[in-house]
Amino acid sequence: GIQVEQSPPDLILQEGANSTLRCNFSDSVNNLQWFHQNPWGQLINLFYIPSGTKQNGRLSATTVATERYSLLYISSSQTTDSGVYFCAVNYGNNRLAFGKGNQVVVIP
Amino acid sequence: NAGVMQNPRHLVRRRGQEARLRCSPMKGHSHVYWYRQLPEEGLKFMVYLQKENIIDESGMPKERFSAEFPKEGPSILRIQQVVRGDSAAYFCASSPPWGGQGHEQYFGPGTRLTVT
Repeated sequence: GIQVEQSPPDLILQEGANSTLRCNFSDSVNNLQWFHQNPWGQLINLFYIPSGTKQNGRLSATTVATERYSLLYISSSQTTDSGVYFCAVNYGNNRLAFGKGNQVVVIP
Repeated sequence: NAGVMQNPRHLVRRRGQEARLRCSPMKGHSHVYWYRQLPEEGLKFMVYLQKENIIDESGMPKERFSAEFPKEGPSILRIQQVVRGDSAAYFCASSPPWGGQGHEQYFGPGTRLTVT
């Protein structure tokens, strides 16, 4: 099956810092989504981004489908950004394959 | 603008009992997906359903697990004779019926199953 790798696995940020999370995938995909799993376990949709760049407030994402990677940028991080960020690729019959996530901790 | 609804949010079952997890998709969505999150394995696809049809069940364990999405009512994920290894968070997602493959999926809050 398709492989999805996220890096770095763990990240500690000082409040106000910027960071970049990376997602590599091993095969062609229909689309790609980024999620934030908050401390209560809920999966929040961040981006639906099969290609190109999108921005939403302090977050932005870029997917280069031809090179099989996506990046999630967090700028001016806040403590509420803490949690796990998941990249998921849609392949085959609408299945999502998830990476193992990036655990982000933002300290005040 | 209700999102994907799941209930119960927490479910405790003893070994050997049955667990029934329910999922109501977002309004207007007719595609439902179930995923399981195990501590050491991450989030894994289980099954993809449309109304009255199982489209892809390649991620479902071969025994004890079944899913349905009837014409009326919520989608149900049923686990018979639960074992401790079934303890996990079970997430439901839904997507709209239009367009081709690759629709954006929206997730419910999950059901946390604990088997004692």
